Amino acid sequence: GNSVTQMEGPVTLSEEAFLTINCTYTATGYPSLFWYVQYPGEGLQLLLKATKADDKGSNKGFEATYRKETTSFHLEKGSVQVSDSAVYFCALRLNYGGSQGNLIFGKGTKLSVKP
Amino acid sequence: NAGVTQTPKFQVLKTGQSMTLQCAQDMNHEYMSWYRQDPGMGLRLIHYSVGAGITDQGEVPNGYNVSRSTTEDFPLRLLSAAPSQTSVYFCASRQVADYGYTFGSGTRLTVV
Repeated sequence: GNSVTQMEGPVTLSEEAFLTINCTYTATGYPSLFWYVQYPGEGLQLLLKATKADDKGSNKGFEATYRKETTSFHLEKGSVQVSDSAVYFCALRLNYGGSQGNLIFGKGTKLSVKP
Repeated sequence: NAGVTQTPKFQVLKTGQSMTLQCAQDMNHEYMSWYRQDPGMGLRLIHYSVGAGITDQGEVPNGYNVSRSTTEDFPLRLLSAAPSQTSVYFCASRQVADYGYTFGSGTRLTVV
């Protein structure tokens, strides 16, 4: 079946450290891939997306590249800040008829950044 | 520009009680959906709708009913609450042809 697997947390980093959160997927066809972020007490917000192989999504210093050969979409940031503390969700959206574009989420990775 | 509004934000129910979680959006989005979020489980799709009068089941529909009489509203009904339905519920909407979902801020439901 279709699924998303992301690294388990929590992840604790010091400010200005490099961040990688791994995400791999299993899907039929060619899905679109997303990273969502959830700040404490809030709903999810779209962080970045990639709709085809080799696309790189980027936003707020975060980047992720759609790697079809490794079925991966790892999230990276060169220098994290305390304000980046949140839960990060990797997700895929199937793009064929009948799926209605529903999102399939990973379990989430909690990131805590210490000053 | 309210976006997606969910009410209530918090609710405690007794086992067997019924209630409706409200979701309204003001962006004229065709697609609306309900997810539940449980620790270590991510978000799982309960029900979704691609337009007024059209609904379908997601991954975990048992124990929940939905209807879509207008474009703006997509309520989620719990007919007989169970402790297993203790969760945080999120409503989300988007244009059918769009990639970006807009999420509400969630309803935290506890069933005792």
